[in-house]
Amino acid sequence: RKEVEQDPGPFNVPEGATVAFNCTYSNSASQSFFWYRQDCRKEPKLLMSVYSSGNEDGRFTAQLNRASQYISLLIRDSKLSDSATYLCVTYQVGSTLGRLYFGRGTQLTVWP
Amino acid sequence: NAGVTQTPKFRILKIGQSMTLQCTQDMNHNYMYWYRQDPGMGLKLIYYSVGAGITDKGEVPNGYNVSRSTTEDFPLRLELAAPSQTSVYFCASRLDGQGFNQPQHFGDGTRLSIL
Repeated sequence: RKEVEQDPGPFNVPEGATVAFNCTYSNSASQSFFWYRQDCRKEPKLLMSVYSSGNEDGRFTAQLNRASQYISLLIRDSKLSDSATYLCVTYQVGSTLGRLYFGRGTQLTVWP
Repeated sequence: NAGVTQTPKFRILKIGQSMTLQCTQDMNHNYMYWYRQDPGMGLKLIYYSVGAGITDKGEVPNGYNVSRSTTEDFPLRLELAAPSQTSVYFCASRLDGQGFNQPQHFGDGTRLSIL
């Protein structure tokens, strides 16, 4: 079983739509969580960290459910520039220090 | 702000050739990583380092070697290039020990083709 699982999509939504992505993780020892954004043929870039209480950054809202071991990302009022692949990332402390685990990503296309 | 710098950005190799992908960071991060990403696929960890002189294998280390003689540099070496190593390679760094919510910072990537 993969450490981090994401629905690969693609999600195709019109401008202005609200879209949500979910991500599940297998290891309950995961301690930190992030959403990254990756544009085509570019490096991943941090979109936002995910805090236990949930957090918001403009149009983006991230939530964490430790009991069910899933993370979500909600994008409101989608823009054309939101088109990208969104990567769910977890951090674990254990026998292998400093490991982050990346999901395969969820592809989003916002159309005009 | 330089951040994580990778060189070269593009390279074409012949089967059996060797090369070193360079990665340097100026943020004094203790953790550094090498990933590969094949088209349409997720990131796969090749090797990582938790500090100068300390390296460990990731998910796909075969065919690669690394060294970490300084905090700043983390080169990745391909000894005998094979077509299966055609990929985009990303180097990343991270500051650990300051709390768990520390993200990774990525370089621009090296696009490598083995023909």
